[in-house]
Amino acid sequence: SAVISQKPSRDICQRGTSLTIQCQVDSQVTMMFWYRQQPGQSLTLIATANQGSEATYESGFVIDKFPISRPNLTFSTLTVSNMSPEDSSIYLCSGLTGNYGYTFGSGTRLTVV
Amino acid sequence: GQSLEQPSEVTAVEGAIVQINCTYQTSGFYGLSWYQQHDGGAPTFLSYNALDGLEETGRFSSFLSRSDSYGYLLLQELQMKDSASYFCAVFYNQGGKLIFGQGTELSVKP
Repeated sequence: SAVISQKPSRDICQRGTSLTIQCQVDSQVTMMFWYRQQPGQSLTLIATANQGSEATYESGFVIDKFPISRPNLTFSTLTVSNMSPEDSSIYLCSGLTGNYGYTFGSGTRLTVV
Repeated sequence: GQSLEQPSEVTAVEGAIVQINCTYQTSGFYGLSWYQQHDGGAPTFLSYNALDGLEETGRFSSFLSRSDSYGYLLLQELQMKDSASYFCAVFYNQGGKLIFGQGTELSVKP
């Protein structure tokens, strides 16, 4: 199955700044998604990263806060903008890499201070 | 709306069998998936059911009843390494997105 490389693995950021997270897949995937997960909790879908067009955001998430790019079928970025401590979380990218099976990146543990 | 319910935690002993249930209420349902996540790790895909019935993959089996909006994950011959969080997730027919339940923390004791 495909491998997704995600970076950075962790970061500590000042409030008001932005962080861009990158995901690289070792093969083409049709669907890519971005999730957020608080430690010990479930995964919340942020958005679907659409190749060559604007991402599709879930309720409660907006493009200005979480701009997403997907220039091709193997790469996507998520930016967390104007960060506040409430944005501290684990961010995960995923791709549909098999028959209905998703592969996840290893996650980015973000702490905003 | 969308909702998935699963027990928050389950404890079992090595060698035993455990069943983790999942009920869902949602529109646009296409299939039910199960994922395993160890502490500090990424979720890994275990199984997928689109049709009613049982799917078996080694020690793990997954069941779906679409009419009851219910599924379960069955883990047999439990091992210590099976201690992890298990998530059921609904696969939607529009956009192929995956919505996760709250997760069940499984503790396997010696």
